[in-house]
Amino acid sequence: RKEVEQDPGPFNVPEGATVAFNCTYSNSASQSFFWYRQDCRKEPKLLMSVYSSGNEDGRFTAQLNRASQYISLLIRDSKLSDSATYLCVVNKGDDYKLSFGAGTTVTVRA
Amino acid sequence: GAGVSQSPRYKVAKRGQDVALRCDPISGHVSLFWYQQALGQGPEFLTYFQNEAQLDKSGLPSDRFFAERPEGSVSTLKIQRTQQEDSAVYLCASSPGGSGELFFGEGSRLTVL
Repeated sequence: RKEVEQDPGPFNVPEGATVAFNCTYSNSASQSFFWYRQDCRKEPKLLMSVYSSGNEDGRFTAQLNRASQYISLLIRDSKLSDSATYLCVVNKGDDYKLSFGAGTTVTVRA
Repeated sequence: GAGVSQSPRYKVAKRGQDVALRCDPISGHVSLFWYQQALGQGPEFLTYFQNEAQLDKSGLPSDRFFAERPEGSVSTLKIQRTQQEDSAVYLCASSPGGSGELFFGEGSRLTVL
């Protein structure tokens, strides 16, 4: 079983729509959770950290469910510029070692 | 520059050749990581440096892979006797400490023919 699993998508949504997707992680000792964004043929960049209480950053909302070991990302009022692959990232218990999911691809159409 | 710089951006090697990939991290960043990203997959951890010390090399796929960071800044990932399965994007990332946000370079795309 992979350490981090994501629905690969693609999620094709119109501008202005809301899109949400999850990832699951296998290591119950994980303490740190992140969403990274990766544009086609570019490097991953941090989108947001995920906190236990859930957190928002503008149109993006992240939730953590420790009991079920999943993390979610919700994007409201989608923009064309939100088209990207979203990588779910979890630490392995050691602070420095991160596990990346394979990514969920979102395409926002005009 | 202000970000993580990697070179070469693209490398084509014949099977059996040795390659060296360079990473210039953000100045002052203590931690440096190498990841391997195959097509359609997420990055996979290869190795971790704290300053010049290689604290973890558990992700290196074989003894053909070797990484160094002799002066605690620039790092080189060397792959000896390249194989087709080594074809991937090799991403270098740095961070100020051991945890938290990773700042990635644009990667070195290796194609082994």
